Amino acid sequence: EVQLVESGGGLVQPGGSLRLSCAASGFTFSSYEMNWVRQAPGKGLEWVSYISSSGSSIKNADSVKGRFTISRDNAKNSLYLQMNSLRAEDTAVYYCATDGSYGYLRPYFFHYWGQGTLVTVSS
Amino acid sequence: QSVLTQPPSVSAAPGQKVTISCSGSSSNIGNNYVSWYQQLPGTAPKLLIYDNNKRPSGIPDRFSGSKSGTSATLGITGLQTGDEADYYCGTWDSSLSALVFGGGTKLTVL
Repeated sequence: EVQLVESGGGLVQPGGSLRLSCAASGFTFSSYEMNWVRQAPGKGLEWVSYISSSGSSIKNADSVKGRFTISRDNAKNSLYLQMNSLRAEDTAVYYCATDGSYGYLRPYFFHYWGQGTLVTVSS
Repeated sequence: QSVLTQPPSVSAAPGQKVTISCSGSSSNIGNNYVSWYQQLPGTAPKLLIYDNNKRPSGIPDRFSGSKSGTSATLGITGLQTGDEADYYCGTWDSSLSALVFGGGTKLTVL
């Protein structure tokens, strides 16, 4: 059974940093492209960041470029999101999700999702 | 303002059929595959449809997807109260170089 478990969320002040983790199990993590998708309270879905299976290709939404960094450790079956210079508008539940992984080297569709971790940016 | 346009809400009676539209442009729906997601209250989204009209394993055939030009449609037949959820369409936007979603549609089964 595919499992994705996010962690690392919490309350952080504007301008602060946070590192999210996503532990994957039940599938060959190193073969899958991965994404982070977020959802602000009461709002819709927003794609945040994509990483290829090897980690060599990365794409980010304009809203987080230069501030967020996606990475992965295939040996640890883990996905990460380093978030710096956090703003109030980054407040959201952050989901990690497997990609359709058709090798397009960009996000395609999101097959399996974790339960999410809440990030709150507030003073 | 979302790049893809969905109606904020739709409703229908149990057992009936409902369709949810997703309107875009040539830079997104017109030239890329569409996926659909169901988000039940308080839970993570779930993939319903990918590649415009394919269902992942375990998704009942009550759910269907189609695409024509720059619009896509999600159809749900035999509505059940358990189908009450928010539904989102998504696709790649070649101009924005981003995966974009519709604003979501809340389905109420009366």
